[in-house]
Amino acid sequence: KAGVTQTPRYLIKTRGQQVTLSCSPISGHRSVSWYQQTPGQGLQFLFEYFSETQRNKGNFPGRFSGRQFSNSRSEMNVSTLELGDSALYLCASSLAGGGAETQYFGPGTRLLVL
Amino acid sequence: GQNIDQPTEMTATEGAIVQINCTYQTSGFNGLFWYQQHAGEAPTFLSYNVLDGLEEKGRFSSFLSRSKGYSYLLLKELQMKDSASYLCAVPNDYKLSFGAGTTVTVRA
Repeated sequence: KAGVTQTPRYLIKTRGQQVTLSCSPISGHRSVSWYQQTPGQGLQFLFEYFSETQRNKGNFPGRFSGRQFSNSRSEMNVSTLELGDSALYLCASSLAGGGAETQYFGPGTRLLVL
Repeated sequence: GQNIDQPTEMTATEGAIVQINCTYQTSGFNGLFWYQQHAGEAPTFLSYNVLDGLEEKGRFSSFLSRSKGYSYLLLKELQMKDSASYLCAVPNDYKLSFGAGTTVTVRA
């Protein structure tokens, strides 16, 4: 089975721009989660989607948004980029989400905001 | 909320054993995960514990004590390729809350 894929892998943007990141989960997985990883804050939860519904959202400003499509693929969008948004954005998938399920991570999108 | 603590760095010699501790405080407990993350790569799943005790998987073992809010990951017969960050995480409300990660450096 193919793993979680994320595109693009690397991205350079300037302050004020917006960006859209894409994630394709493992086939059959319907839960998709997004995390931001920075050296200072570690891995921080952004949001989780299941069957096109957001079930949980982390403590991030409204500039961060996401959605999930009927084929379980997911996108996240960051508007009005700030320097502090530079990070590795990781997507993870699992069968249905929930406590005991292992989340499998994609390779991430490394975003640099100049 | 969740509060998860683990040491920042550990160094050990090839062939040795290293134990990475993780303490957690959580409002509801649904088990604890350990992930390995090599520099520049995605985290990969190592283990999941939900009951007290030791789970062994080859060179890696993970222990859980729910009453103490404590887990550890034991890496035996260390190899150079084990140099990585090790993250403990607790699941709750469809998300994983991670510790800051422990960077393990294996020296020859």
